[in-house]
Amino acid sequence: NAGVTQTPKFRVLKTGQSMTLLCAQDMNHEYMYWYRQDPGMGLRLIHYSVGEGTTAKGEVPDGYNVSRLKKQNFLLGLESAAPSQTSVYFCASSYEQVYEQYFGPGTRLTVT
Amino acid sequence: GQSLEQPSEVTAVEGAIVQINCTYQTSGFYGLSWYQQHDGGAPTFLSYNALDGLEETGRFSSFLSRSDSYGYLLLQELQMKDSASYFCAPGRGSYIPTFGRGTSLIVHP
Repeated sequence: NAGVTQTPKFRVLKTGQSMTLLCAQDMNHEYMYWYRQDPGMGLRLIHYSVGEGTTAKGEVPDGYNVSRLKKQNFLLGLESAAPSQTSVYFCASSYEQVYEQYFGPGTRLTVT
Repeated sequence: GQSLEQPSEVTAVEGAIVQINCTYQTSGFYGLSWYQQHDGGAPTFLSYNALDGLEETGRFSSFLSRSDSYGYLLLQELQMKDSASYFCAPGRGSYIPTFGRGTSLIVHP
């Protein structure tokens, strides 16, 4: 049981480039979330999904898109990366709404 | 909307007891979760209070008072490995989780 995995672990992008972060969970969870964590800001919710084929905006959705085509995968896309998107990105999943979230190891993204 | 407040930093010595407070203002609030995060690591779930009162899990306890919009995490018999950040977050019933800015706990020998 791998839990929640994230790909890649590290990435450096130039301003304007695009990329997709992949999150996968093997716990058959309905709910999945993408957060970003910046120093002193805690965890901020970017987008979330309450089931396969559904997505919704969180607290800081601008500049990001998501897709949940399969129940076990939740993709986060950056269409045109900006330095302000330099952050650590965490994916999480849960069986029920927000009871106990299981987090992936994070993706450290730097945009230059 | 929702807002959560907790102290930015707490220090204590090994073997002591420390309490990390969390106050919140939110609509549709049903409970409070606590997470631990070590430097460079991912957050891990510690506890969840759905009802008022104290929940105990080993050395950690969590308390909730919905009438006071207040909760706390109590850590007993502190160990060096407890040095980490601790986040409170709303629980069941809210589609949009909000994490506080976290409390950095520093445990000294």
